[in-house]
Amino acid sequence: GQNIDQPTEMTATEGAIVQINCTYQTSGFNGLFWYQQHAGEAPTFLSYNVLDGLEEKGRFSSFLSRSKGYSYLLLKELQMKDSASYLCAARDSNYQLIWGAGTKLIIKP
Amino acid sequence: ETGVTQTPRHLVMGMTNKKSLKCEQHLGHNAMYWYKQSAKKPLELMFVYSLEERVENNSVPSRFSPECPNSSHLFLHLHTLQPEDSALYLCASSQESGTGPEKLFFGSGTQLSVL
Repeated sequence: GQNIDQPTEMTATEGAIVQINCTYQTSGFNGLFWYQQHAGEAPTFLSYNVLDGLEEKGRFSSFLSRSKGYSYLLLKELQMKDSASYLCAARDSNYQLIWGAGTKLIIKP
Repeated sequence: ETGVTQTPRHLVMGMTNKKSLKCEQHLGHNAMYWYKQSAKKPLELMFVYSLEERVENNSVPSRFSPECPNSSHLFLHLHTLQPEDSALYLCASSQESGTGPEKLFFGSGTQLSVL
């Protein structure tokens, strides 16, 4: 079956760096997305990777290893507003999105 | 108004009620989606309308009925729901190309409670 695994919850300190991991098992692969969702709000697009390597976008970076079925989202210089859930989703050979259950990130002062 | 808007934000209904959720997108996209989001579970795709044709998820109970009158509007009609249907219902839109949907733009959702 198709599956996405990511940690349920993580805690980090303001100003620090945190890495949220995501492993996927899909029938074929056509890219991986990361979304951010603040409590009670809409998920918003953060990043998209389809080739191996690191994509940097300001304080956020996303990495993909297709051979390992692995991605991570790296958040630097953490701010309190980064407290949110982070959703990982992989696109399979039919371009269907397979979603993880999300990682709730708690930032402490 | 921009983006994807959903109404109502909150809905409480009894199991015998009939209600409808509304979604409107102002992005000119050609695909719209209904997702169910339950606590600590992955997003569940319920329905997709692509180029105004419905792609249905066969595991969705018939008490959920979608309607897409045009490319900008999407409804989810609810009737005789069960308490386990309580969840956040998210609408999304995207631009579908020849290689499948691009990134999704979500509405803020309707938090549904079935009593």
